[in-house]
Amino acid sequence: EPEVTQTPSHQVTQMGQEVILRCVPISNHLYFYWYRQILGQKVEFLVSFYNNEISEKSEIFDDQFSVERPDGSNFTLKIRSTKLEDSAMYFCASRRDRSISYEQYFGPGTRLTVT
Amino acid sequence: DAKTTQPTSMDCAEGRAANLPCNHSTISGNEYVYWYRQIHSQGPQYIIHGLKNNETNEMASLIITEDRKSSTLILPHATLRDTAVYYCIVPPNSGGSNYKLTFGKGTLLTVNP
Repeated sequence: EPEVTQTPSHQVTQMGQEVILRCVPISNHLYFYWYRQILGQKVEFLVSFYNNEISEKSEIFDDQFSVERPDGSNFTLKIRSTKLEDSAMYFCASRRDRSISYEQYFGPGTRLTVT
Repeated sequence: DAKTTQPTSMDCAEGRAANLPCNHSTISGNEYVYWYRQIHSQGPQYIIHGLKNNETNEMASLIITEDRKSSTLILPHATLRDTAVYYCIVPPNSGGSNYKLTFGKGTLLTVNP
């Protein structure tokens, strides 16, 4: 069964460093998302991406964040200058098409630890 | 999103049915009820969704009341691997091209041996 994959599973970085989190969505899916979950808190929407552009972003997704689909298979989230408060689980998700609306498939997540 | 109310936690014995309730009294006529779950330290997992008729798939059954103000997710034979946080979500029908999900705190279901 196809699944969303994410790498790395755990990333440790120092404050101020850039990180890139990688995701490979399910191959015939068209809509892509990043969510994050700070330890002990809710899963929060960050950004949605369709047709090679951001379709919606949350207040969390400020200028330090960017997303890209560089090669038609990978979907990346870049944090330019990490802060301590960026420490969280980051989940990538994908969705096939509009007819299956809110049915999204999530990856296993990347645990980002900023020290 | 229509507001949903779920119990904070529930327990269930292994092998028994787990019935997880959700209130969504402000649901609109064309809004669906979605259920996801999140096993500890894993990504959320889609379970099932429905509009007004009862739905069943290989994972669970969804029972929606006639007035659509509440629903129950049923895991017919809970196993230890079903221990997870279960989220009931009623997103807006006009998702546009985004269809983002808004997660609440959900119900922590603990399946006991």
